[in-house]
Amino acid sequence: DQQVKQNSPSLSVQEGRISILNCDYTNSMFDYFLWYKKYPAEGPTFLISISSIKDKNEDGRFTVFLNKSAKHLSLHIVPSQPGDSAVYFCAASASTGYALNFGKGTSLLVTP
Amino acid sequence: SAVISQKPSRDICQRGTSLTIQCQVDSQVTMMFWYRQQPGQSLTLIATANQGSEATYESGFVIDKFPISRPNLTFSTLTVSNMSPEDSSIYLCSVEDPDGGANVLTFGAGSRLTVL
Repeated sequence: DQQVKQNSPSLSVQEGRISILNCDYTNSMFDYFLWYKKYPAEGPTFLISISSIKDKNEDGRFTVFLNKSAKHLSLHIVPSQPGDSAVYFCAASASTGYALNFGKGTSLLVTP
Repeated sequence: SAVISQKPSRDICQRGTSLTIQCQVDSQVTMMFWYRQQPGQSLTLIATANQGSEATYESGFVIDKFPISRPNLTFSTLTVSNMSPEDSSIYLCSVEDPDGGANVLTFGAGSRLTVL
């Protein structure tokens, strides 16, 4: 049973525009959320996270928004750059451990 | 963050054989995690490996199919036993990243297995 869902398998955005990647979860025990970026032939690398006590976390061009009531989070990248082209995974965990529940990923393509 | 080396990076295997994937970390870590990513699917946790104790397997994964060794704080192996085409996946080793914050994992590049 998929507890973390990324319903858009792919997204194409023009360079300089905003990229918005969405993620939904079903388990109300999740209280920590992470985004990972993955390039081909590489392992996922941590990008940004947010705990359930916050509704926004910003790091440079990357901002994650959390809507607990809707069990929804989103990653905003602005401005998007061609180097951002990668697969983005949303992940969630309960505070009790490192076991992460991942979504299937969204492949982002930023075109010049 | 820790640097993780996985071997092999990829392999093509015959049905019914077994393959052992090695994971080497450049620093001592308490917990190591093995994930699997089947084609088009999410990363799924197979098991957690602590040094000096038996691995803890997630629902749907059993020790007979995925035996794990953890002989010291920098090394672990995952064996995929009696392989079938359904085992064709990317297998990833990961460790906790104390510099990255709560619940952050660092991943190796993965081992892509194709079972014919």
